[in-house]
Amino acid sequence: EAQVTQNPRYLITVTGKKLTVTCSQNMNHEYMSWYRQDPGLGLRQIYYSMNVEVTDKGDVPEGYKVSRKEKRNFPLILESPSPNQTSLYFCASSHWLAGGGETQYFGPGTRLLVL
Amino acid sequence: GENVEQHPSTLSVQEGDSAVIKCTYSDSASNYFPWYKQELGKRPQLIIDIRSNVGEKKDQRIAVTLNKTAKHFSLHITETQPEDSAVYFCAASKNDYKLSFGAGTTVTVRA
Repeated sequence: EAQVTQNPRYLITVTGKKLTVTCSQNMNHEYMSWYRQDPGLGLRQIYYSMNVEVTDKGDVPEGYKVSRKEKRNFPLILESPSPNQTSLYFCASSHWLAGGGETQYFGPGTRLLVL
Repeated sequence: GENVEQHPSTLSVQEGDSAVIKCTYSDSASNYFPWYKQELGKRPQLIIDIRSNVGEKKDQRIAVTLNKTAKHFSLHITETQPEDSAVYFCAASKNDYKLSFGAGTTVTVRA
């Protein structure tokens, strides 16, 4: 089954304790992206990756890191989480073709609470 | 960067009526405009998309229109049903794959 998976699905942590949210896709997609969703703000892009070892900042990258060492995985790292990073996080992936604009498939989401 | 504004933020319609959601974008270079539906507690899912070389696209009860000159695009849902109740997001993208979303519209279909 084609899918995007995220782990963990729910996480409660404390300020300053490093954490990683994993994202994996089995569709051989070149493009992967992380979003955060907050009430009244819609989805905002954190980082994206065009392919292995190619990443770039989205609209709200502060406080986050990513890596893309393998095509299928795109972990999101919070080195020192703060309460304003409490949010619902979605990973997404798609094929990348010249001309852009391919359908993105979203993971199930990770709900993070930073105390 | 791209700024996408979406209206209204909430929409309540009687079952069987039509629903229209409008979005405007700021970057004239944007060329891809998807719409996502997010049911309560679920992930966003693509329901329809349109590219800048097309003015209108239909898929059963759902249609999207694009006015490049005015930089706005709209989602039309006809003959609404209770299962259409959800949050709908519009988005815009250029070729660089930075996808910018609107703030969302909560649609409630009254039986």
